[in-house]
Amino acid sequence: DAGVIQSPRHEVTEMGQEVTLRCKPISGHNSLFWYRQTMMRGLELLIYFNNNVPIDDSGMPEDRFSAKMPNASFSTLKIQPSEPRDSAVYFCASSLFSGVSAFFGQGTRLTVV
Amino acid sequence: KQEVTQIPAALSVPEGENLVLNCSFTDSAIYNLQWFRQDPGKGLTSLLLIQSSQREQTSGRLNASLDKSSGRSTLYIAASQPGDSATYLCAVPLDYKLSFGAGTTVTVRA
Repeated sequence: DAGVIQSPRHEVTEMGQEVTLRCKPISGHNSLFWYRQTMMRGLELLIYFNNNVPIDDSGMPEDRFSAKMPNASFSTLKIQPSEPRDSAVYFCASSLFSGVSAFFGQGTRLTVV
Repeated sequence: KQEVTQIPAALSVPEGENLVLNCSFTDSAIYNLQWFRQDPGKGLTSLLLIQSSQREQTSGRLNASLDKSSGRSTLYIAASQPGDSATYLCAVPLDYKLSFGAGTTVTVRA
């Protein structure tokens, strides 16, 4: 398996634009997580899906953030409109089930100017 | 709420020296603890996962210990190499969420 695949690896966008980050989890994993990493706050959980259903989105900072998982092999994280303070590295992770070893993607480095 | 702390924040050692990285957590009711490595600009790579029933886990030069009662885990890296330079993070699950420490950035000098 190729592991968790995220795209794009880097994204530079202007403030106010819509940004969509994509994730393909490891086949067979039923738990998917979106994390954000910044120097100031470290790694923060944004949202957790189990069997494609959002279980906990309490970490989503604002209504400008939304996430979907239309099927077991694909998830998106959307920011609309984007702001400079959204600049961070966004990671997607998956696991066979919650509580066991999580596998992380390479991340998307987002810069909003 | 689970608080995870890693000390020191940074560590620089000469090649060949053994590394000792510390992780402490506030809620001892954990069922496992995971150590990750992160290289600059890269994702997180899982190194070791210790179940709550285990006291230690080994993989090559890496050995991780877990003391639930004291809320501590230690990652030992034997005979460090420049390639071990990275940030090491520990993570503890609370339900389905992983609570991460801020990490220890290790530099191994050749």
